[in-house]
Amino acid sequence: GDSVTQMEGPVTLSEEAFLTINCTYTATGYPSLFWYVQYPGEGLQLLLKATKADDKGSNKGFEATYRKETTSFHLEKGSVQVSDSAVYFCALSDPLSRQLTFGSGTQLTVLP
Amino acid sequence: DTGVSQDPRHKITKRGQNVTFRCDPISEHNRLYWYRQTLGQGPEFLTYFQNEAQLEKSRLLSDRFSAERPKGSFSTLEIQRTEQGDSAMYLCASSLGAAGELFFGEGSRLTVL
Repeated sequence: GDSVTQMEGPVTLSEEAFLTINCTYTATGYPSLFWYVQYPGEGLQLLLKATKADDKGSNKGFEATYRKETTSFHLEKGSVQVSDSAVYFCALSDPLSRQLTFGSGTQLTVLP
Repeated sequence: DTGVSQDPRHKITKRGQNVTFRCDPISEHNRLYWYRQTLGQGPEFLTYFQNEAQLEKSRLLSDRFSAERPKGSFSTLEIQRTEQGDSAMYLCASSLGAAGELFFGEGSRLTVL
């Protein structure tokens, strides 16, 4: 079945540092790929998505590129802020049901 | 607030009791999903509805679990004869159509003693 493997945390960075959170996937067919973010005390929010190979999703300074050849969708940000502290989940969706398969999440803490 | 709302936010119960969670999706959304999230893990799919029809159920959804969406609006998730392993956050999400973005509620946290 489909699966998502995500870089384990927690990750602690200083403000303005470069962020990479690795994500690889296994899927049949051609899934869409997502990054969700969960801020403390809040529900999951879609951060960015990519629907086909070589697509780049971007939002709030975060980027991720759908790499079919390496089955990866790594999340990057050039300069993190304290407000980026959250749990980040990589996910893929089944093309028909749209049900999401999530990775285990990466806790990011950004220190001032 | 017109987002996805879930009730109750927290539920503590004794093993063997029944519990029911309610989800009110965004009003025009025809798809509604239930997920379960345990500590340190990502959410796991349980089931989803398109309007009032339950279209798919995960193997995680044992016979003690039942979900309904009787009028295609709100949904309930009932767990009968709760076990300690049922302790988790139960998440609801809704979307407009199959291609629509999923919007998640804040979840209902269940603790089974």
